[in-house]
Amino acid sequence: GQQVMQIPQYQHVQEGEDFTTYCNSSTTLSNIQWYKQRPGGHPVFLIQLVKSGEVKKQKRLTFQFGEAKKNSSLHITATQTTDVGTYFCAGRSGFTGGGNKLTFGTGTQLKVEL
Amino acid sequence: NAGVMQNPRHLVRRRGQEARLRCSPMKGHSHVYWYRQLPEEGLKFMVYLQKENIIDESGMPKERFSAEFPKEGPSILRIQQVVRGDSAAYFCASSSQASTGTVNSPLHFGNGTRLTVT
Repeated sequence: GQQVMQIPQYQHVQEGEDFTTYCNSSTTLSNIQWYKQRPGGHPVFLIQLVKSGEVKKQKRLTFQFGEAKKNSSLHITATQTTDVGTYFCAGRSGFTGGGNKLTFGTGTQLKVEL
Repeated sequence: NAGVMQNPRHLVRRRGQEARLRCSPMKGHSHVYWYRQLPEEGLKFMVYLQKENIIDESGMPKERFSAEFPKEGPSILRIQQVVRGDSAAYFCASSSQASTGTVNSPLHFGNGTRLTVT
């Protein structure tokens, strides 16, 4: 079945440093979504990328979708303590009409120290 | 506008008992998904339902686990004869529609039910 891996599994940074998490799928994706889960909380949708090579920005967050639609990245510039949490990518393989199952990546847990 | 409501928030069961987890999707959403999350791990897909139909249950164990989403009322994830390995956070999510071409509707998650089996 489809597998979605993320690296690194954990990342500790000093406040103000940059952070990047990478997402790799074993199969080509129709789209990729990113979610953030705060400690003790639930996943919250951040963004969706659909087109090959697409880049989207949300303030200090930059999201990329690879040309082959099998990988993606999330980059945070100048991290803040509010960025703490686990970031998950999630993708759907191919186009199956009514199929809407998302496979989540393994997640990257970000800790930000003052 | 209420979000996805899950209850109970915490559930403790002894081995062999039954666990029932409830999920009310966001208003207007007819697609419900259940995911399981172990501590420090990712979200594992269990089942995808629409009203009165199971669309994809490929992630659900064949035994002891069942899910439903009746015409009226919340979606229910039922675990019979729980074992310690069932201890996890169970998240329900809903979306407004399935896929339209290559675009998926975002998932809106509930706060989860933390199941502890003693």
